[in-house]
Formats: sequence, C-alpha cells, structure tokens
Amino acid sequence: EAQVTQNPRYLITVTGKKLTVTCSQNMNHEYMSWYRQDPGLGLRQIYYSMNVEVTDKGDVPEGYKVSRKEKRNFPLILESPSPNQTSLYFCASSFWGRGSYEQYFGPGTRLTVT
Amino acid sequence: GNSVTQMEGPVTLSEEAFLTINCTYTATGYPSLFWYVQYPGEGLQLLLKATKADDKGSNKGFEATYRKETTSFHLEKGSVQVSDSAVYFCALSGSQGNLIFGKGTKLSVKP
Repeated sequence: EAQVTQNPRYLITVTGKKLTVTCSQNMNHEYMSWYRQDPGLGLRQIYYSMNVEVTDKGDVPEGYKVSRKEKRNFPLILESPSPNQTSLYFCASSFWGRGSYEQYFGPGTRLTVT
Repeated sequence: GNSVTQMEGPVTLSEEAFLTINCTYTATGYPSLFWYVQYPGEGLQLLLKATKADDKGSNKGFEATYRKETTSFHLEKGSVQVSDSAVYFCALSGSQGNLIFGKGTKLSVKP
C-alpha cells in the first residue's frame, strides 16, 4: 500500500530535550516536506526537499532541522524544543501528475512541549 | 505573496443540504488549485484539483471550478451526508512544489 508513515504519532516532551520525528514514504517520490498545523493558521511549510541531499527552508523553519540521506526518509529534528513548537506536524511526499504536484500526507504527529 | 482565503467556519448543515465553501486566492502566474479534506484524527487527503482556468475538479460529489476572473475556487456539493463532516482546506501550488493553504473550514453535518 502506498503510504507516508510518521513516528511517533503522539509525543509529550520537555523544553530543551532533543527529539526526532521520523517520516518515510514507499512511493519513490523525490519531493518531501514537513508542515505544521495550528488552530486558525492552517498548515505552514517548515522545510522541503527536492531530492536526496537537497533541502531548503519553507515558511517557518526556525527551531527545526531536517536531513535527506535517503530518498524514502525525511526526519524532522528539534534540537531544543520550546513550548511554541507544540503543534500537529505532517510529513508529505509529492509526485508530478496530471499537470501539478500531488501531495500525499502522513497521519500526523501531535507534539506537546511543556 | 501568494495566499489563500477561505470562509471561516464552523459550518453546520443538515443532511442532504447544499454546501458551498468559498475560497479566493492571490497569486502571481497561474497556480494549480486544490481542495484537501481532513477527517477527524487523520492526515489530509486530496479531494480534487484544477490546473488551469475554467477547469472543473470533481470527486465524491464535490465540485470546484477554477475562476481566473474572480480568483476563486469555491467548493460545492449538492447533497451532503453525515460522513462529509470534516475540515476542508483550499490550497494553491507554490513556486517550489509546496502548497499554500487556507486556514480550513470545519463542516459538521447533522442527521
């Protein structure tokens, strides 16, 4: 089954404790990205990657890092989480089809930073 | 910059009612336009899309037409069901393969 998986699905942590949210896709897509979803703000892109070893900042990159060492994986790293990073995070992978990129989203990771 | 504005929710309808969720956009060039749906506890799923002016996207009884003259992409469904209860997001394609989303509209359909 074609899918994007994220782990963990839920995480409660404390300020300053480094964490990584994993993302993996099995569709051989080149393009992957991370979004955060906050009430009243919709989804905003954090980072994206056009291919292996190619990453770039989205609209809200501060406080986050990413890496793309393999095509299928795109982990999101919070080196020193803060309470304002409490949010719902979505990983997505994309392919070009029918005249545009089409994005597949993972199920989400709900992060709480206390 | 590019942006999407969609009607505020929540929207509450009775089963079999007609649905319209308004979406307007600001963009340079000719972006593709999308509607995504998010069911409770799940990720976003592509509902429909349109890639050029006057295109109509449709899926599961939902429709939206890309109107360049009014910069709009309103979502419509003739007869909603309880199972349509979800959050609906309008989005446009950015210059780097990303999506720019509206804030979302929560729809609740009562039996």
